Amino acid sequence: QVHLVESGGGVVQPGRSLRLSCAASGFTFSNFAMHWVRQAPGKGLQWVAVISYDGSNQYFADSVKGRFTISRDNSKNTVYLRMSSLRAEDTAVYYCAKADGYYSYHSMDVWGKGTTVVVS
Amino acid sequence: QSVLTQPPSASGTPGQWITISCSGSKSNIENNYVYWYQHFPGTAPKLLIGRYNQRPSGVPDRFSGSKSGTSASLDISGLRSEDEADYYCATWDDSLSGWVFGGGTKLTVL
Repeated sequence: QVHLVESGGGVVQPGRSLRLSCAASGFTFSNFAMHWVRQAPGKGLQWVAVISYDGSNQYFADSVKGRFTISRDNSKNTVYLRMSSLRAEDTAVYYCAKADGYYSYHSMDVWGKGTTVVVS
Repeated sequence: QSVLTQPPSASGTPGQWITISCSGSKSNIENNYVYWYQHFPGTAPKLLIGRYNQRPSGVPDRFSGSKSGTSASLDISGLRSEDEADYYCATWDDSLSGWVFGGGTKLTVL
C-alpha cells in the first residue's frame, strides 16, 4: 500500500527558508516521478514542482521558480522541497504526490495528507 | 486565475446525472491527458480519472471522463450524498512546461 508522509511544515517569517520532506513507502520509489502541490487557504489546488524518477529533470510553477528547489534521495525513499525567500502567498497546505510513471509529464496518482506552512 | 476553467459550483439531487466541465487550450487539454481529482477538505486528494480516462481500482464506475478538443468533462451518474466534494481537472501544459489545475468545482448534493 502506497504511503506518503509529509513533514517539515511550520510557521516561518517572510524571507526565510524551510525544507519539506516526504517519506514514501509501499512502492519502488526510484521508479516514479514525484510532485509537490499546494492549497492556500480558501483556494484551489496549485501544482508546485515535479522531479523525475532519477532526479535528472525538474519543473516548477512560475510562482516559485528561482525560489524553490526539489530534490530526492532514492536511497532514503524521500523527496524534498526546499523553499527560500518565502512570501505570505506561499502560505498553504503542501501535498506530496507520487506520479503514475517515471517522468515529469506523468500525473499525480497517490497523495499524502499534507503539511502546513504559514509564512508570517 | 487558473489556466483551466471550471465552474466554481455545481449541484444535483441524489440519483441525478451531473457533468463538470474543464476548458483549456491546445497546449494543455488538446495535446495531453486530462486527470480528475476528488478532494474532501482536510484530506488527501484522490485520483478519480487517470490516463486514457481510466478509473483507478476502487473508483466506482459512476465516474467517467471524456475529452473533445480543448475541453474535458467529468460525468457522475447516480449522484450520492458522499459525492459532495471539490473536483479538479489537471493536465500538463506544453507552453508552460508544467502542470496546471482547474480552479475546482464544489459539488453540492441537495
